[in-house]
Amino acid sequence: EAQVTQNPRYLITVTGKKLTVTCSQNMNHEYMSWYRQDPGLGLRQIYYSMNVEVTDKGDVPEGYKVSRKEKRNFPLILESPSPNQTSLYFCASSPPEGSEQFFGPGTRLTVL
Amino acid sequence: GQNIDQPTEMTATEGAIVQINCTYQTSGFNGLFWYQQHAGEAPTFLSYNVLDGLEEKGRFSSFLSRSKGYSYLLLKELQMKDSASYLCAVRGWNTNAGKSTFGDGTTLTVKP
Repeated sequence: EAQVTQNPRYLITVTGKKLTVTCSQNMNHEYMSWYRQDPGLGLRQIYYSMNVEVTDKGDVPEGYKVSRKEKRNFPLILESPSPNQTSLYFCASSPPEGSEQFFGPGTRLTVL
Repeated sequence: GQNIDQPTEMTATEGAIVQINCTYQTSGFNGLFWYQQHAGEAPTFLSYNVLDGLEEKGRFSSFLSRSKGYSYLLLKELQMKDSASYLCAVRGWNTNAGKSTFGDGTTLTVKP
């Protein structure tokens, strides 16, 4: 089954404790993205990648890191999480230009 | 940069037709997308317009005017399950093809 998977789905952590949210897709898509969604707001792009070893900042990259060592994986790293990073996070993948994005199920992160 | 505006909330009656508008300003354009998102779930793709005109897909249609920076999503024969948030998004072009900007979403409530 073609899908985007994220782990964990739910995470409660404390300020400053490094964490990684994994994202994997099995559709051989070149493009991958991370978004955060806060109440009443749409999706805001954190980082995106257009191919292996190619990553770019989205609209809200501060406090986040990403890597793209393999085509299928695009982990999101929070080196020192803070309460303002409490949010719902979505990973997405797509073929190149002009195609729909396929979203993972989301990761609900709470930073205390 | 890119800026997208859409109404925050709309209400309609089961069986009726509703039109959700979206206006955008962008420095580079590679298509406009509409996604549906039920509360707490991942967005799912509805439609994609890259050329001017109307695209029809069952009960859902989407229109684009690139010269006016305007799109709308038309939902016919509304059903209760259509109650959801509808997100308008534009995609970047060329070296920014991986960049996506979403509107804040329009929450549609369908009443009996």
